[in-house]
Amino acid sequence: DQQVKQNSPSLSVQEGRISILNCDYTNSMFDYFLWYKKYPAEGPTFLISISSIKDKNEDGRFTVFLNKSAKHLSLHIVPSQPGDSAVYFCAASSNDNYGQNFVFGPGTRLSVLP
Amino acid sequence: DTEVTQTPKHLVMGMTNKKSLKCEQHMGHRAMYWYKQKAKKPPELMFVYSYEKLSINESVPSRFSPECPNSSLLNLHLHALQPEDSALYLCASSTLTGLSSYEQYFGPGTRLTVT
Repeated sequence: DQQVKQNSPSLSVQEGRISILNCDYTNSMFDYFLWYKKYPAEGPTFLISISSIKDKNEDGRFTVFLNKSAKHLSLHIVPSQPGDSAVYFCAASSNDNYGQNFVFGPGTRLSVLP
Repeated sequence: DTEVTQTPKHLVMGMTNKKSLKCEQHMGHRAMYWYKQKAKKPPELMFVYSYEKLSINESVPSRFSPECPNSSLLNLHLHALQPEDSALYLCASSTLTGLSSYEQYFGPGTRLTVT
């Protein structure tokens, strides 16, 4: 049973428009959420995170929204750029073990079209 | 230096071979991780070392043997692997204090093929 779900395996967006990637989780013990970006032949790169005490975190073009009651988070990229084309993993962790025990979602492949 | 390095990049081994994967970081991180990633799947946690001691073992078969010789190095010793163990093996590191302990830095991975 997947604890972290990303129901869209792929997403295509026009350059300059908004990309919205969604993530749902089932474990109410999760209290910290992260988005990682992965290019082919590279390891995942940390992008942005949010603690469960917040509902929004913004970093430049990237904003993560958290809706705890719905157990849902989303990553907004605005404006989208061709270099954003990658696989995006949502990950969740709980406070035990210093947040080391990550669970990753299956990933969404984002393609930004010029 | 915010880099996690892994060697080798690619490894092909037979089922009777013994090989080792290596990982190194110089960010002063005291937590290091091994993940396994199969094609089109998310990374799956295998082992976690905290302060050079094994703190999490996600029921990984004994043919995988981790080792943390010091705070900068992490090895994964492989012996008698099966073809289904073929995957990308990712190393990561993080601090152990504060919220930044949740942010893991990943290496590029070792692509392992077991024949």
